[in-house]
Amino acid sequence: DIQMTQSPSTLSASVGDRVTITCRASQTFNDFLAWYQQKPGKAPNLLIYKTFNLESGVPSRFSGSGSGTEFTLTISSLQPDDFATYYCQQYNSYPYTFGQGTKLEI
Amino acid sequence: EVRLVESGGGLVQPGGSLRLSCAASGFTFTSYAMNWVRQAPGKGLEWVSAISSSGGSTYYADSVKGRFTISKDNSKNTLYLQMNSLRAEDTALYYCAIKSYLKFDSWGQGTLVTVSS
Repeated sequence: DIQMTQSPSTLSASVGDRVTITCRASQTFNDFLAWYQQKPGKAPNLLIYKTFNLESGVPSRFSGSGSGTEFTLTISSLQPDDFATYYCQQYNSYPYTFGQGTKLEI
Repeated sequence: EVRLVESGGGLVQPGGSLRLSCAASGFTFTSYAMNWVRQAPGKGLEWVSAISSSGGSTYYADSVKGRFTISKDNSKNTLYLQMNSLRAEDTALYYCAIKSYLKFDSWGQGTLVTVSS
């Protein structure tokens, strides 16, 4: 199984900051890596799929990169609506696995 | 518009059973793999199970293997998760999600399962 280790678990930042969240995999896999944003009481919202593809309707301040075992989500300039919890997910092979989440707070 | 509506959650005693349903509309149900993902209260996301578009292949997390069964009825556009031998640690909000080749395209709003005596 591919284990996903996400860091940091909590990130304190301010509006306008540039932030990066990292996911490290326990083994190399192809670029089937997604990033989700989740707000309390809501289903996850897809931001990035297949490592760097921006989902339709997602603001361009979100970007994804990486390969092999290290993947990153970058928010170029934080907006008030971005304070939420973020998850990475590998869907390259079963069992699909998520990172443990990063809570982005003010 | 894609719509996924989960139902069937509720309170069940440890060792009991429950069947979740996910009614799908707005897309060609037979063309997509379907997944169940759960989230325990205050915890992260955990992938539970998947089924291929035809229903011929199924996959499970180790934590539910042998206890849960995923299935789909293409004539009813409905995904199911039969959950047996339920444990307290199965308490969670259960989401169904569509998966295409490239991504998890859409998620439902979830149905809550509580396992408690």
